[in-house]
Amino acid sequence: AIQMTQSPSSLSASVGDRVIITCRASQDIRNDLSWYQQKPGKAPKFLIYAASSLQDGVPSRFSASGSGTDFTLTISSLEPEDFATYYCLQDFSYPWTFGQGTEVEIK
Amino acid sequence: EVQLVESGGGLVHSGGSLRLSCGASGFAFSSYTMAWVRQAPGKGLEWVSNIRLSLSSINYADSVKGRFTISRDNAENSLFLQMDSLRAEDTAVYYCARVRYYYESGATKQYYYYLDVWGKGTTVTVSS
Repeated sequence: AIQMTQSPSSLSASVGDRVIITCRASQDIRNDLSWYQQKPGKAPKFLIYAASSLQDGVPSRFSASGSGTDFTLTISSLEPEDFATYYCLQDFSYPWTFGQGTEVEIK
Repeated sequence: EVQLVESGGGLVHSGGSLRLSCGASGFAFSSYTMAWVRQAPGKGLEWVSNIRLSLSSINYADSVKGRFTISRDNAENSLFLQMDSLRAEDTAVYYCARVRYYYESGATKQYYYYLDVWGKGTTVTVSS
């Protein structure tokens, strides 16, 4: 199975900060990657598909890039509602695998 | 409104069985691949299984293969997960999710899949 490794596992940031989360695949997955946001006690929310395409309605402060094995999710200016855990998911091959998550906490 | 509602979770002893259901509304259920994803307490997300519209393609995580069975009833707009031989490590919130795809018709002619709609989840607790 393809392993997805996110870093950091957690980070502390302030409102207005730029945040970068990385996701590394154990093998080439082209750009078959999506990103999700999850708040405590809630279901995940879909953000980005095909490694860099923003879902309709997702604020433009979110962006993502990457292909092959290395991917990033960037929040250009953190808003209070962005404090959450973020996951990447590869759909290149079965079994689909999520990264372990990156928790973005308030500093 | 597009909606997924899971049900059927509960407390079961190790070795027991449970059948989860997911009711879909607000979209053409029979036109979509569907998935189950779970999350153990305090842990990350784990993809469990997908079932395509025609039932011809079903995939499972290694951790549940041979014990869980995914199925669907397109007439009833419902997705199911039959869970047998349950173990303590199957304790989790189980989410039903819709699988959507984007087809890039350019040079790569590639499909990109993602989980665009999620239910609120149903909790399964397996006591050892």
